[in-house]
Amino acid sequence: SQQGEEDPQALSIQEGENATMNCSYKTSINNLQWYRQNSGRGLVHLILIRSNEREKHSGRLRVTLDTSKKSSSLLITASRAADTASYFCATDWADGLTFGKGTHLIIQP
Amino acid sequence: GAGVSQSPSNKVTEKGKDVELRCDPISGHTALYWYRQSLGQGLEFLIYFQGNSAPDKSGLPSDRFSAERTGGSVSTLTIQRTQQEDSAVYLCASTIGRGETQYFGPGTRLLVL
Repeated sequence: SQQGEEDPQALSIQEGENATMNCSYKTSINNLQWYRQNSGRGLVHLILIRSNEREKHSGRLRVTLDTSKKSSSLLITASRAADTASYFCATDWADGLTFGKGTHLIIQP
Repeated sequence: GAGVSQSPSNKVTEKGKDVELRCDPISGHTALYWYRQSLGQGLEFLIYFQGNSAPDKSGLPSDRFSAERTGGSVSTLTIQRTQQEDSAVYLCASTIGRGETQYFGPGTRLLVL
C-alpha cells in the first residue's frame, strides 16, 4: 500500500527558527493532509492540500505539494515551544488515510 | 460544535477477553474511520463507514476485529479474544465526505495484559 514517509525522523531547533519537514509517497493521491500529535494522543488536523494544488498557507504553516515528485513539505515559521510535537503526513486515496511514521519536532527555548 | 468523542479513554483488559470501543462522530459527518496506532507500526487504517453503505473492512487485521455503525452515527469497534499485540491506541475520525478533512477523536488506549 502507498505510504507517506516523513523526513527527518527527528528535528531539534531553537525557538524562533523555521522548521521544515518533508514527506514522500508512492502512488496517486486525492489529497495529502498534515497532522500534529502531542504525547501520543489527539491527532490535530493542520492542512489539507489537494492533488491539483501546489501550495497552501495557514498562519505560520506553509505546505507545498509536488505531485511529479510525489513529495510534500511542511514549513513552520517562527517556531514556538508549543510546536513541539510529532508531525505526520497522510495521503488520501481509497482506503482511508495512509500515514507515515512522523517527524518528531523539538523546539528548544 | 462538539468534536469526535471516544470512550473509554483507557482500557486495561486480560488476554482472551472481549472489548468494545465507542466512537461518537461529529454530528452530520457521514463518513467514519477507525485507525490503530501502535509502537513499531505507526498509524494504520482499520475500517471505513460511509453513510448506510457496507463498510470497507480491508484494514482489519484479523477476524477477531469487527465494527458496526448504528443509525449512521455512533460506531463500536469490538475486539474478541484480545491478544497482547492488540495493545495500542485506537483512533476514530469522521469527515463530511470522502476526500475531505478527517477530524480525530482523542483515542482509546488499550492495554492487554
